[in-house]
Amino acid sequence: EVQLVESGGGLVQPGGSLRLSCAASGFTFSSYWMSWVRQAPGKGLEWVANIKQDGSEKYYVDSVKGRFTISRDNAKNSLYLQMNSLRAEDTAVYYCARVLLWFREFDYWGQGTLVTVSS
Amino acid sequence: EIVLTQSPDFQSVTPKEKVTITCRASQSIGSSLHWYQQKPDQSPKLLIKYASQSISGVPSRFSGSGSGTDFTLTINSLEAEDAATYYCHQSSSLPVTFGQGTKLEIK
Repeated sequence: EVQLVESGGGLVQPGGSLRLSCAASGFTFSSYWMSWVRQAPGKGLEWVANIKQDGSEKYYVDSVKGRFTISRDNAKNSLYLQMNSLRAEDTAVYYCARVLLWFREFDYWGQGTLVTVSS
Repeated sequence: EIVLTQSPDFQSVTPKEKVTITCRASQSIGSSLHWYQQKPDQSPKLLIKYASQSISGVPSRFSGSGSGTDFTLTINSLEAEDAATYYCHQSSSLPVTFGQGTKLEIK
């Protein structure tokens, strides 16, 4: 059974940093691109970042470029999102999602981890 | 950036009714359009991929159609458990984007 379990969310002040993790199991992690998708409270879904199987390609939505960094450790079956210079508008539930290739569907999602940016 | 516009934003429907949700893209995306269901306090679940391809485990009352810029998600014989928000998603080009969502309320 495919499982994606996010962790690392919490309350952080504006300008602060946070690192999210996603532990994957039930599939060959190194065979898939992976993504982060977020959802602000009461709002819709917004794609944040993608990373290729070997980490050689990474893509970001414009609003997080230069502030967020996606990475992965295939030996640990884990995906990460380092978030720096956080803003109030980054407040959201962050989902880890599996995607075979960046131009494919998100076929499995984690349960999400809430990030709140507030003073 | 490709903008996806869903309609309606909200719909109140009765069980056994047929429901149609549309998703319009700001430019042609071929068939690179996927549909998700999100129930309250849950993560999204893939319903339909590539406009019309069914997903294992998803009830057959869910179907999709369309290509280019206009797409439709159809739910035949709605059930109470279908109360949720539905999103379309385009994977034709980066940044991949989602529609704003359509909330279905069951009367």
